[in-house]
Amino acid sequence: NAGVTQTPKFQVLKTGQSMTLQCAQDMNHEYMSWYRQDPGMGLRLIHYSVGAGITDQGEVPNGYNVSRSTTEDFPLRLLSAAPSQTSVYFCASSANLIRDSEFFGPGTRLTVL
Amino acid sequence: AQKITQTQPGMFVQEKEAVTLDCTYDTSDQSYGLFWYKQPSSGEMIFLIYQGSYDEQNATEGRYSLNFQKARKSANLVISASQLGDSAMYFCAMREGRTGANSKLTFGKGITLSVRP
Repeated sequence: NAGVTQTPKFQVLKTGQSMTLQCAQDMNHEYMSWYRQDPGMGLRLIHYSVGAGITDQGEVPNGYNVSRSTTEDFPLRLLSAAPSQTSVYFCASSANLIRDSEFFGPGTRLTVL
Repeated sequence: AQKITQTQPGMFVQEKEAVTLDCTYDTSDQSYGLFWYKQPSSGEMIFLIYQGSYDEQNATEGRYSLNFQKARKSANLVISASQLGDSAMYFCAMREGRTGANSKLTFGKGITLSVRP
């Protein structure tokens, strides 16, 4: 199993550009989520999904869109990048039970100039 | 109010000694889970240990144990016999509710641990 994969690992964007961060998991997990990590802030939830076709907002959803057409994939779209979106982005997945740990992808380091 | 509070500044420990990393949480749910993750300088997030709110015994995983004090709403991570490879950022996190409908994981801001040789 590859676990949770994310692409790209690094990305530099100019203000106003759009892009999609890809996330895929091969563990048949129902729950998937996107976090951003900023210095001194821990991980903050952007969007999450409890199954294909179901998504919801997390703590910091503004400027980001998601969709979940399959169990495996959960892409994160930045519609119009801003410098405030410079961050490290983690995708994670877990089985849908309270005691299930989330499995994290390796992260994407995004810089918006 | 913050749901997960980690207030210790950078922590230092001598190799082979034990260290406790503090975590307090806030929830009105009776059913919840508490997690600790390790993030080394390479950046990946590594799951360490889990404690359920209804678990009667403190969780242990190798050199990691969780000092769970439900009435005080604290879930401190204890690392025994510290190793140089334990130097990392450590995050406490909580998931509330019984089912996936409320599966959001809330993280604290993390604690940096440095192990001295």
